[in-house]
Amino acid sequence: EAGVTQFPSHSVIEKGQTVTLRCDPISGHDNLYWYRRVMGKEIKFLLHFVKESKQDESGMPNNRFLAERTGGTYSTLKVQPAELEDSGVYFCASSQDGWNTEAFFGQGTRLTVV
Amino acid sequence: AQTVTQSQPEMSVQEAETVTLSCTYDTSESNYYLFWYKQPPSRQMILVIRQEAYKQQNATENRFSVNFQKAAKSFSLKISDSQLGDTAMYFCAFTPYGGSQGNLIFGKGTKLSVKP
Repeated sequence: EAGVTQFPSHSVIEKGQTVTLRCDPISGHDNLYWYRRVMGKEIKFLLHFVKESKQDESGMPNNRFLAERTGGTYSTLKVQPAELEDSGVYFCASSQDGWNTEAFFGQGTRLTVV
Repeated sequence: AQTVTQSQPEMSVQEAETVTLSCTYDTSESNYYLFWYKQPPSRQMILVIRQEAYKQQNATENRFSVNFQKAAKSFSLKISDSQLGDTAMYFCAFTPYGGSQGNLIFGKGTKLSVKP
């Protein structure tokens, strides 16, 4: 069974440009999470989808970030326009049920804004 | 605010020896989950071990065990008989009981190097 996959693995963009990150969760997992790790800091929660609905988006840093999960399958996280401080590793995770089930992580997308 | 602190940014251990990674946390919750995740170089993060706060018995998974001290809010990870494949970033994480196990609060991580 395929795990959580993220595309691209690396992205280098200029400040002001737009980037879209994609996450494909494990098939059948209703819950999908986005996290971000800025260099030298903690991994921070961004948001949580249950199917196509945003359950919790309290961690989204500002309105330059837009997450979608159309159809409750894969999810995208768009940053527009990107700023230097958006650089970091963006992780996606999925779990079958909301609680009492393990979350499985993808490899992450390393985003560098120059 | 709920926080997780890992005070050791980097550690190293000789192959076959034992190493302990430290983690403390702060919460007003009485029931919660604690986790150790491992991220090998260029690979995804995987769950190493999970502890439920209401269980007094320390969790164990093969060579990995924890020392859970609820009153002290401490959750250390012991790796016995270290192997080269244990080289990775190790993250301690927390989530309140009843919430989603994907809504995790992480520490900054400890980079562990196992030397031959």
